[in-house]
Amino acid sequence: AQSVSQHNHHVILSEAASLELGCNYSYGGTVNLFWYVQYPGQHLQLLLKYFSGDPLVKGIKGFEAEFIKSKFSFNLRKPSVQWSDTAEYFCAVNARSGNTGKLIFGQGTTLQVKP
Amino acid sequence: DADVTQTPRNRITKTGKRIMLECSQTKGHDRMYWYRQDPGLGLRLIYYSFDVKDINKGEISDGYSVSRQAQAKFSLSLESAIPNQTALYFCATSEPGQGTDTQYFGPGTRLTVL
Repeated sequence: AQSVSQHNHHVILSEAASLELGCNYSYGGTVNLFWYVQYPGQHLQLLLKYFSGDPLVKGIKGFEAEFIKSKFSFNLRKPSVQWSDTAEYFCAVNARSGNTGKLIFGQGTTLQVKP
Repeated sequence: DADVTQTPRNRITKTGKRIMLECSQTKGHDRMYWYRQDPGLGLRLIYYSFDVKDINKGEISDGYSVSRQAQAKFSLSLESAIPNQTALYFCATSEPGQGTDTQYFGPGTRLTVL
């Protein structure tokens, strides 16, 4: 069965600090990988996604993620966070085979950025 | 994202009551999903539908039922609500892309069962 693990449950940073949120998945086949963000009181928004090609993916608002197949990882990074990045971040995976589109989510990481 | 709407946005109900949460989309997507979000657990799939005649159970379907009334509408029902169904419920849509679906989420419904 597929699973997704986010190692950091709650991260607190000061503005301008660099961010890296870990995400590992468990699945033997080809996967699609996603990071979603949920700002306080809002719905999930897609930050970035990886389907194939260049393993370094750039998303909105200066975020990027790198797919390392050998490590089953898809970590999210941002060089310099802003107070407005305070939100909950979810890593999600779906299996390419079967074409069901079903997403398996990690537990989420709450990011608090102090001004 | 205004393309996916959910009603109501907030609901407080009592144990044993029947509740329906509604989802509508203007994206023209065939696929629709219902998830629930609980603190520390992320989002878990309840049901999904690939078209009007297709309904599939997800990871945690017990205690829930769904109806796909049209391509654009997908409703989630709690036949007899219980307190551990208190959660944030999200509807999502996607258009199949040969294994490369991207899901788009509604604003969520916060349900409290007393």
